[in-house]
This record gives sequence, C-alpha cells and structure tokens, in this order.
Amino acid sequence: NAGVMQNPRHLVRRRGQEARLRCSPMKGHSHVYWYRQLPEEGLKFMVYLQKENIIDESGMPKERFSAEFPKEGPSILRIQQVVRGDSAAYFCASSPTDSTTGELFFGEGSRLTVL
Amino acid sequence: RKEVEQDPGPFNVPEGATVAFNCTYSNSASQSFFWYRQDCRKEPKLLMSVYSSGNEDGRFTAQLNRASQYISLLIRDSKLSDSATYLCVVNPGDMRFGAGTRLTVKP
Repeated sequence: NAGVMQNPRHLVRRRGQEARLRCSPMKGHSHVYWYRQLPEEGLKFMVYLQKENIIDESGMPKERFSAEFPKEGPSILRIQQVVRGDSAAYFCASSPTDSTTGELFFGEGSRLTVL
Repeated sequence: RKEVEQDPGPFNVPEGATVAFNCTYSNSASQSFFWYRQDCRKEPKLLMSVYSSGNEDGRFTAQLNRASQYISLLIRDSKLSDSATYLCVVNPGDMRFGAGTRLTVKP
C-alpha cells in the first residue's frame, strides 16, 4: 500500500510563474490536508478537502492560492504569480475518515524555491 | 491567542536525561490530541495519540489535562536518536499543529 505521494519533490520557479503541487492520498483515503512550512518554522494549516469539496480553507491566502481534489486524480495546490515569500515546503497529508479520530499520514513534501 | 501553543524550545539535554514538553490549546471542545515527530527536512510522523487517562509507550508518556487545556509529552532516558522537533496536534476537524519544540540530545 503506497503512502501519500507528492510531486514534484522539488520545484524551482521564477517570480510571476505558476506552481502546481500534486498529492495522491493513500489508497482508501478521501480526506486531504495541505500544510506549508517555512524554514525554521512550524506547520501552517492551509486547506482541508474531501473529494470534490473544500471543507476548510481558512488557512489559505486570499489571493493567488487555490486547491482542488477532483473526483478522479490527485489533489492539486496551485500558486499563481509566485513571489519569493512562497518559498517553503508544502506537505500534504491524508486520512481515511474525518480527522477527529484518526492519524494523518504525510507525504514527503514538495519544496518550492522561488528565484 | 493562537489555537495551539507549544514550549518554544530549543531543549538541549544530555543523553539519559528526562525532558518534558507542554502544549496548550484554546478550544475547549477539542476531542483528539496527538504528538508528532518531525526530523530535519522530513515529513511529520505520528509519535503517539494522547488519551484522557494518559498513555505510555516505552520511554514516552503523554498526558492530557482538560481542566487546564494542555497536553504534555515526557521522554525518559533520552537517546541521541530522539533529537527532532516535536509537534502537538489538536482537533476538532482540521488537525492544527503547534509550532513545534526542537529537542537536541547530546552525548
């Protein structure tokens, strides 16, 4: 049973370009979470999705960031017009049920560097 | 006030020492609590869940104090391999993480 798969593992973008980060949850998991971690800082919750639904996006910046989890395919975190401050590690996690009871399983993260 | 707050650290302890971390939470309706461990530049991994009655796993003991709204993690007989950042996680619903406490165990 493959774990949570994130790609790309490393992504370099120039200011103003778009970044797309993908997350395939563990098999059987229908809940996906995205977190951002700046260097030397903790994990910051961004968004919680179930298939085709955004449940909680209270941690997402109001502009340039969007996330989706379509019926088929991976969850995607999209950052438009990237700026240097977007450089961070972006972790995706999945769980089989509502997270009030269960463990979160993390991917290895996608490290975005904005030049 | 942050929803989840942790001891800022860093904690630098010698091998064999006992070290404790606390984590306070603001939402009294929180139901589930976890401690995660994150090694440098790696993903967080579940260390242990925290149960109302407290629970122990080898050298690790987790406690929950609902009245004061905090959870704690105690590590006995620290090993070099315990060096990591320890994150507390509090529900409901959105698994918000504390900022983490960095532990370095030295020979």
